[in-house]
Amino acid sequence: KQEVTQIPAALSVPEGENLVLNCSFTDSAIYNLQWFRQDPGKGLTSLLLIQSSQREQTSGRLNASLDKSSGRSTLYIAASQPGDSATYLCAVWWLALTFGSGTRLQVQP
Amino acid sequence: GAGVSQTPSNKVTEKGKYVELRCDPISGHTALYWYRQSLGQGPEFLIYFQGTGAADDSGLPNDRFFAVRPEGSVSTLKIQRTERGDSAVYLCASSLDTEAFFGQGTRLTVV
Repeated sequence: KQEVTQIPAALSVPEGENLVLNCSFTDSAIYNLQWFRQDPGKGLTSLLLIQSSQREQTSGRLNASLDKSSGRSTLYIAASQPGDSATYLCAVWWLALTFGSGTRLQVQP
Repeated sequence: GAGVSQTPSNKVTEKGKYVELRCDPISGHTALYWYRQSLGQGPEFLIYFQGTGAADDSGLPNDRFFAVRPEGSVSTLKIQRTERGDSAVYLCASSLDTEAFFGQGTRLTVV
């Protein structure tokens, strides 16, 4: 059974800091990995999709890496802003999308 | 439409009642997924459709839960004899390949 773990569960940082969110998964036979953002009471917004053959993807201030053999991914957020405050979810495509529990990020102005 | 649409956005029902939740996927997306999310948790897989057929329904918690997608587009998640423990946000997603796009969810509250 695929299990996805995200660390830390919650994170509070001052505005402007660079930060790293971690995701690990137990079965490396994945098709790809997707990072999502979820605002309170809202649905999921796709941030980055990394194919299993790729090592990283970048979008603006976001950079996601994937090390499939070790079962790890990181989401790097540069120069954090209060508007980045949300829950960040990591999900791996295995049989279907399997999610971690998320990291709740609070960026203090 | 441009995105995945779910209706209703909120549903309050009494324990024991029957409810239907609707998902309208992105046009042309052949795969459709239902997830359930409890407070503070990540979404939990329920069922996956490829076209009209349920390719994987292993996540449905019990036989009170059922989903259909009769024409390969709109899907309905049906819950019979609702229980308070069914209260959650029900999310629908669609995809063409392996990038999923989610709707805003239906918040179900069973009182």
